[in-house]
Formats: sequence, structure tokens, C-alpha cells
Amino acid sequence: IQLTQSPSSLSASVGDRVTITCRASQGISSYLAWYQQKPGKAPKLLIYAASTLQSGVPSRFSGSGSGTDFTLTISSLQPEDFATYYCQQLNSYPRTFGQGTKVEIK
Amino acid sequence: QVQLQESGPGLVKPSETLSLTCTVSGGSISSYYWSWIRQPPGKGLEWIGYIYYSGSTNYNPSLKSRVTISVDTSKNQFSLKLSSVTAADTAVYYCARDANVDTAMGFYNWFDPWGQGTLVTVSS
Repeated sequence: IQLTQSPSSLSASVGDRVTITCRASQGISSYLAWYQQKPGKAPKLLIYAASTLQSGVPSRFSGSGSGTDFTLTISSLQPEDFATYYCQQLNSYPRTFGQGTKVEIK
Repeated sequence: QVQLQESGPGLVKPSETLSLTCTVSGGSISSYYWSWIRQPPGKGLEWIGYIYYSGSTNYNPSLKSRVTISVDTSKNQFSLKLSSVTAADTAVYYCARDANVDTAMGFYNWFDPWGQGTLVTVSS
């Protein structure tokens, strides 16, 4: 299953609302996770089951979608949110990831 | 809480076998699936495969002919071997727990926690 994220990169300011899209090549129900990765660090789980916020993750992060179309939304971008974000499908094997969306400072 | 740590050589020669170990601390390796994931420099994430604590495995078809993942429950470790490596196998290699929850809506998985990652360079 191929996952296509859009955009590949974006520039935003602190306080902006940011939306990242992940589209699956076939239906994956809600078997999708989102990760945040900062340079030189391992990915960090943000959301699983498409919309369930991992414990300890700020509530400004939210996920939605089902089937083939999913979104990750950051309601008010904070300085620590500048990173690369990946979606991952867990509907079937092999597990696959989107190509990533880099969120940069405007 | 559970922590994972990768270890192994940082430099491997072409055509040789890459060998890494992931040590699980703060919890038991039992009753979970454990995965290896890699990330070439500046690129995205690629799932390599998983092992269940009982020893069952599942590999990415793109690497299946060259990959072996094994587990040592007595040491709370699992390992990756990748044979016949080339420069294309140069990457940061991560280990991660494949966690899950069984709900009325479905059986959901995710990768958490992850190890810090280890860079393996394939070069002569």
C-alpha cells in the first residue's frame, strides 16, 4: 500500500493552523499512525488509529480520516513543532510510510 | 518505561553481512512484536520486518531474500542480519516495539517506543 503525503514541505509561522494530508493507494480503514521526527532523532508517535492522540502529546495535534484520505492538523503551530511528519499504514504488510512532510519556519 | 537501544558496527564492507542488536530494557520482550526500520540519509522510513517474541517473523518483500531477524528472550534482545550489503543499505537503523490495542472498533497497531537509531555505513 502506497501512502502519498502532501505537501512535501511547507513554511508556516508560529500560531498558524497547519494541515497535512496522507492518501492511501487503497482503503486502510482507520489503521493509520502519524509520527513527528526532528533532525538526528527517532520518530515520535503522535496519533494512532487515525485519530487517537498518544498519551502526553499536546492537544493541538489532531488526526482524522478513514479509508483512503487522512489529515494531521496542528491547530496552533509552536516553535517545537518544526519537524518532519510521517504517516504510516498498519492495515497490512509490508508496513509502509508516507514520504514525509517537512514543516519549516516562515 | 520501556526503552530500546540499538548496537552493532557502524561500518560494514560491501558484500558482507550487517548485524545489529536491539536491547529492550524496562519491560519484557514477551507478548509483543518487534520491528526494524531504516532511514537512508536525508530520505524516508522503510520497514524491514518484525519478529514476535515466540520467534515468528514477517519481512518486507523488498529485502526478504537478505534479511534474518531473531530473538533471544533470555537476554531481552532481538537482532537483525542483512546479507550482501551495498552502498544502498547505508542508513540509520531503528528498532521499535509494535504495540497494539484491541477495541470494539478494531485491533490497532503503532510503533512505540523507538530506539535512538544507529548509523550503518556500507563502504570499503
